[in-house]
Amino acid sequence: NAGVTQTPKFRILKIGQSMTLQCTQDMNHNYMYWYRQDPGMGLKLIYYSVGAGITDKGEVPNGYNVSRSTTEDFPLRLELAAPSQTSVYFCASSSRQEIRWGYTFGSGTRLTVV
Amino acid sequence: AQSVTQLDSHVSVSEGTPVLLRCNYSSSYSPSLFWYVQHPNKGLQLLLKYTSAATLVKGINGFEAEFKKSETSFHLTKPSAHMSDAAEYFCVVSGVNTNAGKSTFGDGTTLTVKP
Repeated sequence: NAGVTQTPKFRILKIGQSMTLQCTQDMNHNYMYWYRQDPGMGLKLIYYSVGAGITDKGEVPNGYNVSRSTTEDFPLRLELAAPSQTSVYFCASSSRQEIRWGYTFGSGTRLTVV
Repeated sequence: AQSVTQLDSHVSVSEGTPVLLRCNYSSSYSPSLFWYVQHPNKGLQLLLKYTSAATLVKGINGFEAEFKKSETSFHLTKPSAHMSDAAEYFCVVSGVNTNAGKSTFGDGTTLTVKP
């Protein structure tokens, strides 16, 4: 099925560990986004990309890195996990032509840092 | 710059009664506005969108919203609540043509539907 796929769905990390959250879409969308959702809060933008090779910081980028080597993939890297990064992470995508119609979201990755 | 404020963090209604979830926004340009719904432990689903066409927007599951520029509001309504409407609702403002499509989310409104 076409859409945005995120892996893993759940992960527990120890403080200081690193991991990569994977996001891939098969809709040939050039716009991709990473958001985090803390309990009882809305989504905050971490990083975004308007095309392969182009990334930029969002509202809460500290502690994260991204890359966009292909149109399909937009992985999010946590280098030194901290308890403040416990959250649910959502990847989203849209095409430049269809951005006014909203995003397609992945199902999320629930991350706990202990 | 853009921002969005959802005026109620929790709304509780009885099944069969009307639903009103309130949202105010600010934007430096003509915005696109969205309502998304999130059921427990699920992803986000687009309910409806305003993109400078008709000011009264109809969405899925009987929801609708009215864009009022003079009041900078985009309130979500439904005539008759159903138990399955219980969820978290997010109002979103997006800079479609001037902001790389970046969206700003409200903090959400939790809708509870009582039998």
